[in-house]
This record gives sequence, structure tokens and C-alpha cells, in this order.
Amino acid sequence: DIQMTQSPSSLSASVGDRVTITCRASQAITNSLAWFQQKPGRAPKSLIYAASGLLSGVPSRFSGSGYGTDFTLTISGLQPEDFATYSCQQYNSYPFTFGGGTKVEMK
Amino acid sequence: QITLKESGPTLVKPTQTLTLTCTFSGFSLSSSGVAVAWIRQPPGKALEWLALIYWDDDKRYSPSLKSRLSITKDTSKNQVVLTMTNVDPVDTATYYCARRRSGSVAPDKMFDYWGQGTLVTVSS
Repeated sequence: DIQMTQSPSSLSASVGDRVTITCRASQAITNSLAWFQQKPGRAPKSLIYAASGLLSGVPSRFSGSGYGTDFTLTISGLQPEDFATYSCQQYNSYPFTFGGGTKVEMK
Repeated sequence: QITLKESGPTLVKPTQTLTLTCTFSGFSLSSSGVAVAWIRQPPGKALEWLALIYWDDDKRYSPSLKSRLSITKDTSKNQVVLTMTNVDPVDTATYYCARRRSGSVAPDKMFDYWGQGTLVTVSS
């Protein structure tokens, strides 16, 4: 199985901050990488596909990058509604696997 | 508008069989390239992919759970059913179904729509 390692596991930030979350795959996955946002008691919300593709309706302050094994999710100008847990997922090969999540908390 | 909704028991006893149904609308599971997956999340833990069924009835399972899982579809009812045998308290989790969209290239085929999830507790 491909292991997805996210860092940090949590971070504290303020509204307006630039936030960067990384995701590393244990083997190359091309750009078959997605990012999800999840709030307590809610289903994951899909944000980014193909490492850098923004899904329709997702604010442009969210961006993704990377290829192969190293990926990044950036939130440029953190908004109050962005405090949540973010997870990455590889869908390059079975079994599809998720990262452990990064909780973005208010400083 | 695409929606998915999970249904099933909230409480199951150890060793019993769990059956969950995903009822969806706004897309067809007979459309080429489309799939529906099941994913679960134990309380406070990470997401775990369980199984996937494609429009052509191709099925994929998590290797660690393959012996206990079965996924089927009823295209006429717009439903996907997941069966898990011999459940254990460690199977306590919120279970989600999600659509895997079709795409011209593999990186486009992500899970784009998710159901609200259903919490299943395994306890005697």
C-alpha cells in the first residue's frame, strides 16, 4: 500500500495568514492526488484534484501543487470558514489511501 | 444536482453482518467511467477507503478487508450496497459513500461528491 504522510498534524494560524500543508507519498503517484476539507461532524468536501486542479466553486485562495511524491496545499489568506481538518488522498493505485489529516486551528 | 445518502443500522452486534446502502441521484452508474466507493472514518481517526464498484461492475476492495466485504449495485434503483461480515468493535466508524467521477485521464478521476455519512457502532 502507498502510505500518505501529512505534515504538520496540526497548526495554529490567524485569519489572513498563508497556510501550507504538505503530503508525501511513499512511492510515486504521478499527480493523482486530491485534497479534502472536513469540519467536525461533516462529510469531507472535495477541494482539489490532479494535485492542482480546483473543483468548481472552491475559492481561489486554495491551491495545490506537486508531482510524484511531494505535494502541497496552500491557503492564501485564511478565512474564518477555513478552520477545519485537511486530508490528502492518492488515487493512482489500489488501495486508495488517505493522509492522517492536518487540523488548522485558530491561533 | 448530485447527491448521495447512506442508510443502514446505527448499532450492530459483534460477529453480525453489516449492510449499508448508498442511494444516489443526479448521475447514473451505467455511465462509462463512473464509480461509487465506500470510505469509513473511525471516531477521531483518518479516512479509510474500503471498496469501489464501477459502471461495468468491476469491483475493487481494500486488501486488508477484502475477505469481509462485498459491494454490489442496482443501477435501476440508483443504489450501491456494501456488506461487511463478522463485524468487530474496531469497525465502529462513520461510513461514507462517494462518487468517483469519470475523466479522460487518470488524475481527473477523483472522488468529487460525498454522502453525509452514517455512524455505525459495533457493540454488544
